[in-house]
Amino acid sequence: EDQVTQSPEALRLQEGESSSLNCSYTVSGLRGLFWYRQDPGKGPEFLFTLYSAGEEKEKERLKATLTKKESFLHITAPKPEDSATYLCAVQAGGAQKLVFGQGTRLTINP
Amino acid sequence: GAGVSQSPRYKVTKRGQDVTLRCDPISSHATLYWYQQALGQGPEFLTYFNYEAQPDKSGLPSDRFSAERPEGSISTLTIQRTEQRDSAMYRCASSLGLAGSYNEQFFGPGTRLTVL
Repeated sequence: EDQVTQSPEALRLQEGESSSLNCSYTVSGLRGLFWYRQDPGKGPEFLFTLYSAGEEKEKERLKATLTKKESFLHITAPKPEDSATYLCAVQAGGAQKLVFGQGTRLTINP
Repeated sequence: GAGVSQSPRYKVTKRGQDVTLRCDPISSHATLYWYQQALGQGPEFLTYFNYEAQPDKSGLPSDRFSAERPEGSISTLTIQRTEQRDSAMYRCASSLGLAGSYNEQFFGPGTRLTVL
């Protein structure tokens, strides 16, 4: 069974304090790993797709990396507006559905 | 449309009643998904459509849940004889490609269902 585990469940940082969020996965034939941002009361907002180990993608203060067993979302010099829940999801070979982790709730204090 | 829209945004119903939720995907998107999201959790897959075909409904919790997309655009999710455990956020997403394509899914704002 495909599984995604995210850690930590919650993370509180000071503005400018860089850190990383972890997404560990087990999947039969990874087709893609997706990162989403979710603000309270809103639907998940797409950030990145990673397809193969070693791949990296960046967007503003966020950088996502992928290995064969996990993905990291690195946040560099975060700002309060980066506060949100970050969701990781995998898409297995032969399937269309996404299997999500439970998310990491990130809070950036000014 | 500019994004995925869902209606109603909130639905309160009494146990035993039927409810129908609607999703209007991004125009030109072939694939449409339904997810259920509990508070503090990630979305859980219910079913999906490629145009009007429904290749996978393995995530539907029981036969009280059904979905359709008769013309390959707007979709509805119907829950019959609602139970309190059906209370959740129901999210719709759409993506550009068909099965086999690597396409990101874009989510709507969701319908918050409360069963009293």
